[in-house]
Amino acid sequence: DAKTTQPNSMESNEEEPVHLPCNHSTISGTDYIHWYRQLPSQGPEYVIHGLTSNVNNRMASLAIAEDRKSSTLILHRATLRDAAVYYCIPRFGNEKLTFGTGTRLTIIP
Amino acid sequence: EPEVTQTPSHQVTQMGQEVILRCVPISNHLYFYWYRQILGQKVEFLVSFYNNEISEKSEIFDDQFSVERPDGSNFTLKIRSTKLEDSAMYFCASSTGTGASGANVLTFGAGSRLTVL
Repeated sequence: DAKTTQPNSMESNEEEPVHLPCNHSTISGTDYIHWYRQLPSQGPEYVIHGLTSNVNNRMASLAIAEDRKSSTLILHRATLRDAAVYYCIPRFGNEKLTFGTGTRLTIIP
Repeated sequence: EPEVTQTPSHQVTQMGQEVILRCVPISNHLYFYWYRQILGQKVEFLVSFYNNEISEKSEIFDDQFSVERPDGSNFTLKIRSTKLEDSAMYFCASSTGTGASGANVLTFGAGSRLTVL
């Protein structure tokens, strides 16, 4: 499994953009980069994933470095509901997702 | 939106008792997973299941654990003789397993909280 490094915690003001970084320098060429989040007392929830190009969906954007050794999850306008632990997970094939400790995001009203 | 459904939401049991946690994955999904999360700790992989057999399991998934897909819709996790340290939240997940495989996303259930006394 590729090793990932994420900040333990981050804070952001409500309605401001949030950039959550992830380092995955040992990622292999065929691993997709997945982001999941876990809201308090809930199961993990898919956010976004990508391989090489930047990706957008209704929840977030994913910016992937050209060398693929890092990526950034962007929440364009954070709400209180976005307070969660965010996990960056490289994934190959249909293998298991391996969760690290993630980044605990706190949103300040 | 399709959901993964887990029952029970909370189960309390005595040490040494057998427990079965049930999951109904999304209907066209082919890969099934169980994870657990001890309070305050990481989400840990237990087992993955595909084509009616275990495809991968972790060190946690010892002989006390088993999984089954008895009827084509349910996916169950059985713990034969529960220990205090089995107290955790157990999450079931499923994915389609089709297309570009690394791109398949997992959909998780809300979890079953197991408390062993």
